[in-house]
This record gives sequence, structure tokens and C-alpha cells, in this order.
Amino acid sequence: EDKVVQSPLSLVVHEGDTVTLNCSYEVTNFRSLLWYKQEKKAPTFLFMLTSSGIEKKSGRLSSILDKKELFSILNITATQTGDSAIYLCAVDVHGGATNKLIFGTGTLLAVQP
Amino acid sequence: KAGVTQTPRYLIKTRGQQVTLSCSPISGHRSVSWYQQTPGQGLQFLFEYFSETQRNKGNFPGRFSGRQFSNSRSEMNVSTLELGDSALYLCASSRLAEQETQYFGPGTRLLVL
Repeated sequence: EDKVVQSPLSLVVHEGDTVTLNCSYEVTNFRSLLWYKQEKKAPTFLFMLTSSGIEKKSGRLSSILDKKELFSILNITATQTGDSAIYLCAVDVHGGATNKLIFGTGTLLAVQP
Repeated sequence: KAGVTQTPRYLIKTRGQQVTLSCSPISGHRSVSWYQQTPGQGLQFLFEYFSETQRNKGNFPGRFSGRQFSNSRSEMNVSTLELGDSALYLCASSRLAEQETQYFGPGTRLLVL
């Protein structure tokens, strides 16, 4: 059965800290790995990773994928209170031309002033 | 460009009733996927529609069904509601099928009493 596991489940840090969120997966027919940020309702897209070792960066956030070891990390530097959210990792698995995301349970990040 | 919209945003039903939720994808997006999010199970894939055809289905009972119209709008229906169906139902759209990022709507919060 396809599985995505995120760690830690929750994290409390202070503004300015750097955090690393982990996502490991065991799936058949891997297509890509995606990170989303969920604050109140809809998850908002952060990154899509398809190739190993290529870092994707957006401001203070960055992410990288290791397809050999089957994991990804999401780094947030100089955290701000606005970074407080649930961070979701999802793996897109394909069976033909279909679109199916398997989500981890998420990491709840709380950034204290 | 308008984002994914879902209606209604909140819904209260009683056990045994049925419910229909609606999702309008981003203009030009033809793939619509539905997810159920609960505190215990996280985000779980329900099904995906593309060009009015269901192409993928998650592990949910037959009480959960959906359809897609020619304008790509989608509906999902849950019959004979159970207490455990209380959840946030999210739909996501993407332009095509392969290697395309899914963008989420705000969700419909369903409470079953």
C-alpha cells in the first residue's frame, strides 16, 4: 500500500529559527512529490519535485528530493509567525494518465514571536 | 484568474441523509480531484475526473460518488450519511493530467449529526 510519512508531527520554534521538515515515502509508480502549506482551509502549493538532488527555492523556503532514499526535506530559514501552518507532503502516483495524490498527515509548525 | 471554488462552504446534515457538493475548477483546468480531510486520517483521495470520466478512485465505499460536467465542473455525492463522514471535503483542479500541479479550493465543511 502506498504510504507517505511526515516527521515531526508538530514543532514549536521561535522567530528567526531554521526548521527542517521531513517526508519519506513508499509508493509504486512515483511521479512527483509536492509540498503544500495549509493555514486555514485550502492547501496552497509550495513546490513540486521530480528529480533527485535539485533544490527548489522560494524566498526563505527550499526543498530537495532524494529518490534513492525515498525522502524529501522542506527547509524554512529565519522563520516568521506567518509561517505557522500545517505543512503537507504529497506524492503523485500514476497509473496511466491519472492524477492521484497520497498525502502524509502533515507537520504542524507553530512559530512563536 | 479565479481560483477553485466550492459550494456550499458549510453544511450540517443528519445521519441517513444525502448531500451533494459542488466544485468549479480554475478556468481551463480539466482534471478535478476530490479529497476528504479529517483530523484522524489526514487528507485522503476520493476520486479524480477528467473529461467527464472517472479515471481513478480511492478506497471509499460506494456511498461516495461523483460526476463531472462538460464544462469541467464537478459534483460529489454522499448518500446515507454517517457520523464519520464529518470532514472537510476539498477539491483540486489541474490543467491536464501528467506532471501538473493541483490547486485546491477552500473546501466544504460537512458536519453530520
